[in-house]
Amino acid sequence: KAGVTQTPRYLIKTRGQQVTLSCSPISGHRSVSWYQQTPGQGLQFLFEYFSETQRNKGNFPGRFSGRQFSNSRSEMNVSTLELGDSALYLCASSLESGRREQYFGPGTRLTVT
Amino acid sequence: AQSVTQLGSHVSVSEGALVLLRCNYSSSVPPYLFWYVQYPNQGLQLLLKYTTGATLVKGINGFEAEFKKSETSFHLTKPSAHMSDAAEYFCAVSPTGTASKLTFGTGTRLQVTL
Repeated sequence: KAGVTQTPRYLIKTRGQQVTLSCSPISGHRSVSWYQQTPGQGLQFLFEYFSETQRNKGNFPGRFSGRQFSNSRSEMNVSTLELGDSALYLCASSLESGRREQYFGPGTRLTVT
Repeated sequence: AQSVTQLGSHVSVSEGALVLLRCNYSSSVPPYLFWYVQYPNQGLQLLLKYTTGATLVKGINGFEAEFKKSETSFHLTKPSAHMSDAAEYFCAVSPTGTASKLTFGTGTRLQVTL
């Protein structure tokens, strides 16, 4: 069974632009969570989607948003990029919301210049 | 609120030596506990988890961890280190009943020397 896939793997953007990252969960998994990983702040939870609904949200500004499609694929969007948004963005999928461990994708490395 | 403390940002062991990575948690309710490993330029791989039941949990690659409620600890051990174990290890906690909103520790980088 294929693992969690994330596209693109690397991305370079300029301050003020917006970006969309994509995540395809493991087949059959219906919950998708997003995390931001930076050297300074470590791993931080962004949000979780299950059945196209946001179930949980971390402490990030409204510039960070996400959505989930009927096939469980998820996208996250960051608008008005700031230098501090440079990070590794990790997507994780699980079978159901809250009842199973999460499996992580390889991440998208976003660099904001 | 929950939190995780990993003692030691860097740990160095010789190949064949015992690996001990420390994790203490703070939680107002019984938590779910996890250990993940991250190799360079990769995502996180689940090593093991504790939800309920047996407090000694065995994971992949010979790792195990013991949940000690009285000490609020979930230390990760491996009897004999291998060069391939060199990576960064993260302890994580989530509230009972949900594993979807993980709170991670700051990570411990394990170095294995000959």
